[in-house]
Amino acid sequence: DAGVIQSPRHEVTEMGQEVTLRCKPISGHNSLFWYRQTMMRGLELLIYFNNNVPIDDSGMPEDRFSAKMPNASFSTLKIQPSEPRDSAVYFCASSWDNQETQYFGPGTRLLVL
Amino acid sequence: RKEVEQDPGPFNVPEGATVAFNCTYSNSASQSFFWYRQDCRKEPKLLMSVYSSGNEDGRFTAQLNRASQYISLLIRDSKLSDSATYLCVVNEGSASKIIFGSGTRLSIRP
Repeated sequence: DAGVIQSPRHEVTEMGQEVTLRCKPISGHNSLFWYRQTMMRGLELLIYFNNNVPIDDSGMPEDRFSAKMPNASFSTLKIQPSEPRDSAVYFCASSWDNQETQYFGPGTRLLVL
Repeated sequence: RKEVEQDPGPFNVPEGATVAFNCTYSNSASQSFFWYRQDCRKEPKLLMSVYSSGNEDGRFTAQLNRASQYISLLIRDSKLSDSATYLCVVNEGSASKIIFGSGTRLSIRP
């Protein structure tokens, strides 16, 4: 069975550019999470969707960040404009129920120069 | 005080040794608890859930102490492949209140 799929796996961009990260959750899972991981702050929840609806986006750092989930099999996290401090590993995770075990994708390593 | 606290380590122990680490949480209403494992440059993966009665999975034992608000992970007969970062995870009652600790680094030496 395919796990959570994320793309791209690596992204290097220049400050000010738009960055779009993509996620395909495990088929049948109805909850999707976007996390950011850095050495300084660890793993932080950015936003959580349940049944394609954003439930809690209080972790989104600022208006430069936006996330969508147009259907049950696809989500995007967009950063516009990107800044060097956005450099991190961004993980997408999905679960069957919103409080059950989360399955993480391989992550996208983002470097903003 | 952080919501979930872990000793960052690193714990450096010889192969075959027993190692244990704890994780403390601040919200006494927390409902469920987990240990995740994260290998270098990989994603976190569920290692085991932590139940009130304690649970064991092979060489791994997890315990929950609600009175003192901590969970523990014990690894017996450690293997080189156990080298990883172990993340403590606490669910405070909703999906947006799943808190990950910063992790404890474990390094097993031959």
